Amino acid sequence: DVKVTQSSRYLVKRTGEKVFLECVQDMDHENMFWYRQDPGLGLRLIYFSYDVKMKEKGDIPEGYSVSREKKERFSLILESASTNQTSMYLCASTRQGVNTEAFFGQGTRLTVV
Amino acid sequence: GDSVTQMEGPVTLSEEAFLTINCTYTATGYPSLFWYVQYPGEGLQLLLKATKADDKGSNKGFEATYRKETTSFHLEKGSVQVSDSAVYFCALDSNYQLIWGAGTKLIIKP
Repeated sequence: DVKVTQSSRYLVKRTGEKVFLECVQDMDHENMFWYRQDPGLGLRLIYFSYDVKMKEKGDIPEGYSVSREKKERFSLILESASTNQTSMYLCASTRQGVNTEAFFGQGTRLTVV
Repeated sequence: GDSVTQMEGPVTLSEEAFLTINCTYTATGYPSLFWYVQYPGEGLQLLLKATKADDKGSNKGFEATYRKETTSFHLEKGSVQVSDSAVYFCALDSNYQLIWGAGTKLIIKP
């Protein structure tokens, strides 16, 4: 069964902490994505990566960074967490090309207090 | 830029009712169109897709037809079940990324 796995389902962090969200996929996909999901706003793209060590900013990259040292792993980093980063974070992966299905992890619900 | 607009929710229906969730898009070229579903507590999963005009995607009793003339991809199901309660997202493929609608929450009452 193909899988995208996010390291935590729920996280509670304090304002100012550095936060790491990890995502691993076992499908040898080239592309990986980080989204945040907020009620009424749908999915907003934070960063994506189409290859190892490559990264591209999405629509809302401010306050975030990413790391992709290995093909299967894509990490989202909140350098200094703030309360407005409280959200559901979703990782996804796709293979290279068009018309491809995106596979999602189960999401990490992050609360910053 | 490319965009997707879908009807606001929540949509509340009784079991066995007919479902339509509207989705329209703006895009250059002819993108592929998708419906994804997110069940409570889970990530998104692909429900169906269509890759060219007049294509019909179908899965689990759901259908959607790619209408180029109306730039629409409405999701329909003839008889909904309680287990269909979820959030439904319309999306299009643009430059190897997916552009998402805001999502429509569907609530089915027994």
